[in-house]
Amino acid sequence: DIVMTQSPLSLPVTPGEPASISCRSSQSLLDSNGYNYLDWYLQKPGQSPQLLIYFVSNRASGVPDRFSGSGSGTDFTLKISRVEAEDVGIYYCMQSLQIPLTFGGGTKVEIK
Amino acid sequence: EVQLVESGGGLVQPGGSLRLSCAASGFTFSSHWMNWVRQASGKGLEWVAAIKQGGSEKYYVDSVKGRFTISRDDAKSSLHLQMNSLRAEDTALYYCARGPSYGERPDFLDPWGQGALVTVSS
Repeated sequence: DIVMTQSPLSLPVTPGEPASISCRSSQSLLDSNGYNYLDWYLQKPGQSPQLLIYFVSNRASGVPDRFSGSGSGTDFTLKISRVEAEDVGIYYCMQSLQIPLTFGGGTKVEIK
Repeated sequence: EVQLVESGGGLVQPGGSLRLSCAASGFTFSSHWMNWVRQASGKGLEWVAAIKQGGSEKYYVDSVKGRFTISRDDAKSSLHLQMNSLRAEDTALYYCARGPSYGERPDFLDPWGQGALVTVSS
């Protein structure tokens, strides 16, 4: 199985400041079709997870443009350009290149 | 509006069975991959199973193979998870999640239902 590793585990942030989360996979997520099968999800407190970004850098419908994703192969990053209070929660990366789909352990973003 | 509503959760003894259902609305259910993902209390996310359009292809995480069966009823826009030989470690909130309407793999999960709680305990 592909192992997904996120860092940091916890990320205290100041509103208006940028934030960055790293995700590494145990093997490349780049398929022969040129796509990297890496998504980002946010689980806000008390809510179900929601898709933020798919295929590394494509924002899901309704996701603000302060969220951006980058990376290729085994190293990926989610960036929030200016954190807002509503961005608190646990962020998960997930690979969908291989079955079983696997998630990172999560990064808890909280306001300082 | 796309909606996924899970039902069927509850308390069951170890070794028992439970059947979860997910009622889908607001989209063409038959055109999409569908998934189950679970989350133990205070823990992270674990993908459990996926079923392709038409139901001919089904995939499972190793820990549930031979015990859980995913199925779909396209006529009723519903997804099911039959869980047998349940163990304490299966205790979790089980989410139904829609996959894409194309491709050979469940690329991304969007949206997710609110979850159904399964508790396995004597």
